[in-house]
Amino acid sequence: GENVEQHPSTLSVQEGDSAVIKCTYSDSASNYFPWYKQELGKRPQLIIDIRSNVGEKKDQRIAVTLNKTAKHFSLHITETQPEDSAVYFCAARGEGASKIIFGSGTRLSIRP
Amino acid sequence: DGGITQSPKYLFRKEGQNVTLSCEQNLNHDAMYWYRQDPGQGLRLIYYSQIVNDFQKGDIAEGYSVSREKKESFPLTVTSAQKNPTAFYLCASSPLSGGVYNEQFFGPGTRLTVL
Repeated sequence: GENVEQHPSTLSVQEGDSAVIKCTYSDSASNYFPWYKQELGKRPQLIIDIRSNVGEKKDQRIAVTLNKTAKHFSLHITETQPEDSAVYFCAARGEGASKIIFGSGTRLSIRP
Repeated sequence: DGGITQSPKYLFRKEGQNVTLSCEQNLNHDAMYWYRQDPGQGLRLIYYSQIVNDFQKGDIAEGYSVSREKKESFPLTVTSAQKNPTAFYLCASSPLSGGVYNEQFFGPGTRLTVL
């Protein structure tokens, strides 16, 4: 079955710097890749997603890139701010599948 | 998302008791899901349902049961067979459009503590 690996598990960056979180997936049929942000004690919330027919998608300070050949996708956060501190989960979904496979999460801390 | 509600927010249970967690959505979403999250850990799928009166086991279904009698409701029962049920339980739903499932939206969660 599908497996999603996420790295790093923890990441600390200086405020204003960029943060990059990387994921790999195993099922070449996966075609939908969402990213969720979860603040402490709260529900995960979708922040950006990308489908396999697109190589990159950007929304203000957040961007996601997808390399289908290598089965890699990454989240890029630029000009980090204190409110970016949270746990981030990547995920993948196969074509026609209803369930999503989540990565293990990355705890991002922004140093003032 | 505001269209998915879970109740209660906090739940305390004595060992050996069954308890049911509620999940309701008014988004007309076809698929619904239950996840378990332990402190500092990721999301593990317990059960999911694509249509009414049908559901499938996820990765950690043992000790749990579900029903899907209505499209908008997907209650989860934590049975006494679940040996370590203390966790944060998240319900989610996803719309189906053109044969493709789209993004999952999560409810606010129920924090279950076994005393």
